[in-house]
This record gives sequence, structure tokens and C-alpha cells, in this order.
Amino acid sequence: LAKTTQPISMDSYEGQEVNITCSHNNIATNDYITWYQQFPSQGPRFIIQGYKTKVTNEVASLFIPADRKSSTLSLPRVSLSDTAVYYCLAQGGKLIFGQGTELSVKP
Amino acid sequence: GAVVSQHPSRVICKSGTSVKIECRSLDFQATTMFWYRQFPKKSLMLMATSNEGSKATYEQGVEKDKFLINHASLTLSTLTVTSAHPEDSSFYICSAREDWNTEAFFGQGTRLTVV
Repeated sequence: LAKTTQPISMDSYEGQEVNITCSHNNIATNDYITWYQQFPSQGPRFIIQGYKTKVTNEVASLFIPADRKSSTLSLPRVSLSDTAVYYCLAQGGKLIFGQGTELSVKP
Repeated sequence: GAVVSQHPSRVICKSGTSVKIECRSLDFQATTMFWYRQFPKKSLMLMATSNEGSKATYEQGVEKDKFLINHASLTLSTLTVTSAHPEDSSFYICSAREDWNTEAFFGQGTRLTVV
């Protein structure tokens, strides 16, 4: 199982772009990379998933280099409501959560 | 996105009683469901993985006789905490996935308090 490593916390200001990088050196060939957002006392919410290169949806972009040993979640123009914990998972069989990144967005 | 409904959202029970938590995938068939436990300010800890029609696979250190998991259909899984004690008080979260390479969706969680 690929272990993921992320920064424990990040601070940002409203309107800025936030990039959170996740390391998954032991990712398996079949693993997808998935990012989730969690607010206190709620279940995680799916943000984006990718296998390689770049994926973009209405809320975020996911950049994955060719070796797939890391990935970067990009949140454009964050707002106060983006304050949450963000988890990246190298998803194969089990869904194992790492420590996550606590993002704090300030006015 | 797909919806996973978890019920109840919070429950208080007396020590020694059992509590059942339901997890339903509302608009897709979940071949795999996961159950997690989360302590305050901590990450989600995987308790068990269940595939429809099969026995659940429990993580090391999780008592299978205490946390009974049933995945009888492609849309429903249940977690029963048997003979609950105060140390079982926690936030329990379920997740469901249609296929191994598709995204998983999570329930809203159940806050269990054992008094």
C-alpha cells in the first residue's frame, strides 16, 4: 500500500491560489490518486481523481508528474469556506488515509 | 456526485447495549464498502473493508466480534457496535465505491456516545 505524505498545515489568504503537494513514492501501477476534503464532524468529500498528467474539474486541478511519485492539488482563488483538511490517497484496494493537510484560509 | 447516506447521524447509548449504524449507496451499486473511525483532530482510521456477499476484512487491532459488519446487498452495509463501552465513543464514517478504480463516496458520519 502506498503511503502518502503531506504537509501538516498550510495558511493562505482569500483569493490566492493554493497548491498542496502529496508524496506517494511507493504508488502501485494500478493506483489512482484521489483527493478529499473534510470539514469538522462531516465525512470526506470527493474533490478530484487522476492517474497521470493533469486533470481539471470545476473546483480544482490535479497535477501528476510522469513518475507518479507525487501529486499536487491546486485550488484556484480560495475562499474562507475552503478552510478544511485535505487528504490525498493513492487508491488501489484499501482506502488508507494519511495525516492530511489542514488548510486555513484567512480574510 | 453520488450519494452515500449514513444513519443515524448521532446516537447516545448506555454501556453494554449494542448500536447499529447503516450505510446506503443511494444511486450506485457499491461492490466495496469501508468503515472508519475518527478521533478528534485525527485522520480517519480504517476499521474494515467489506465486499458484497463476503465477510468483511478487518484491520489489525480491530475486534471483529465487537464491530460486526454486514454487507448483504450492493447498496447497504451495517456496522454494529456490540456491548458498547465509553471507549467506543467516536465518530464512525462509512464509504462506498462502485469499482476498484472509481472514486469512493462517504457518508456524513455517525457520532456515537456511550454513557
